[in-house]
Amino acid sequence: EDQVTQSPEALRLQEGESSSLNCSYTVSGLRGLFWYRQDPGKGPEFLFTLYSAGEEKEKERLKATLTKKESFLHITAPKPEDSATYLCAVQGGGSEKLVFGKGTKLTVNP
Amino acid sequence: GAGVSQSPSNKVTEKGKDVELRCDPISGHTALYWYRQRLGQGLEFLIYFQGNSAPDKSGLPSDRFSAERTGESVSTLTIQRTQQEDSAVYLCASSLRAGGVVEQFFGPGTRLTVL
Repeated sequence: EDQVTQSPEALRLQEGESSSLNCSYTVSGLRGLFWYRQDPGKGPEFLFTLYSAGEEKEKERLKATLTKKESFLHITAPKPEDSATYLCAVQGGGSEKLVFGKGTKLTVNP
Repeated sequence: GAGVSQSPSNKVTEKGKDVELRCDPISGHTALYWYRQRLGQGLEFLIYFQGNSAPDKSGLPSDRFSAERTGESVSTLTIQRTQQEDSAVYLCASSLRAGGVVEQFFGPGTRLTVL
């Protein structure tokens, strides 16, 4: 059974304090790993798709990386508007569904 | 362009009543998915539609749950004889196609509360 574990559950940072969120996964035949951002009361917003180990993608202050067992979402010099819950999901071989972790709630204080 | 829309945004019902939740996917998206998000839990897959193919119902938690989709447009998720454990946010997503790795785009969700 495909599984995704995210850590930490919650993270508080000061504005400008860089950090990383972790997503560990077990999946049969990884087809893709996805990062989403979810604001309170809203649906998840797509950020990145990673396909294979060694791949990296960047968007503004966010950079996602992928190994064979885990993915990291690096946040460089975060701002208060980066506060949200970040969700990680995997798509396994032969499946169209995404399997999600519980998310990391990030709070960035000014 | 317009994103995925869902209605109602909030639904409060009494235990034992039936409810219908609606999803309008992004125009041109052929695949549609329903997920459930319980408080403090990750999103759980419920059902997936792709064109005229038979839907993947493997995530439906019981026979009280059913869903329909008309062609490549609107979908409705029906929960019969609701129970308190059905309280959750129900999220709909659509993607441009199925097969391969494609991004799923989510609607704002319907928050269901069963009293």
